[in-house]
Amino acid sequence: KNQVEQSPQSLIILEGKNCTLQCNYTVSPFSNLRWYKQDTGRGPVSLTIMTFSENTKSNGRYTATLDADTKQSSLHITASQLSDSASYICVVSSPVTDKLIFGTGTRLQVFP
Amino acid sequence: KAGVTQTPRYLIKTRGQQVTLSCSPISGHRSVSWYQQTPGQGLQFLFEYFSETQRNKGNFPGRFSGRQFSNSRSEMNVSTLELGDSALYLCASSHGLADTDTQYFGPGTRLTVL
Repeated sequence: KNQVEQSPQSLIILEGKNCTLQCNYTVSPFSNLRWYKQDTGRGPVSLTIMTFSENTKSNGRYTATLDADTKQSSLHITASQLSDSASYICVVSSPVTDKLIFGTGTRLQVFP
Repeated sequence: KAGVTQTPRYLIKTRGQQVTLSCSPISGHRSVSWYQQTPGQGLQFLFEYFSETQRNKGNFPGRFSGRQFSNSRSEMNVSTLELGDSALYLCASSHGLADTDTQYFGPGTRLTVL
């Protein structure tokens, strides 16, 4: 069964610190992998989208990496801010089913 | 450019009733997807419409249905509501197909079934 698993489920860090969120997937083959940020009570917002041939992609303080061999991706947040408090969702696209498969997300809380 | 809009934002219904949710995509976008989000299950795919045709469907019962109009606006209908249908329903639009193009999400409709 195609799955996307994220870790940790939740994370608390202090403002200014860096953190890394993990995404492991079993979807194979896959066409792209996405990271979304979802603030409480709002719809998700796209952070990055990478094809299987890309290793890294940045969006400001957010950097996503992809290792298609080990089927792992990570989202690194640099110099965290209070506004980074949100859920981060990893999504993998399957060309077999033409569907997006969502992870259950990592809940990040940044404290001053 | 206006974002994805969803109406209503909040809805309270009782078991057995039916409900219709509306989604207006970003101008020029032809794909509209619907998702159900609950705390325990995360985001679950309902269906995707592209140019008025249902392109893909998730694993939901037939009580969940949708359609897309010629102006790309989409509606989702849930009949015979159950308590478990309480959730945030999100709509997302993309210029191209949902699995190959960037999706833009609306703010969602919070449905509570009593």
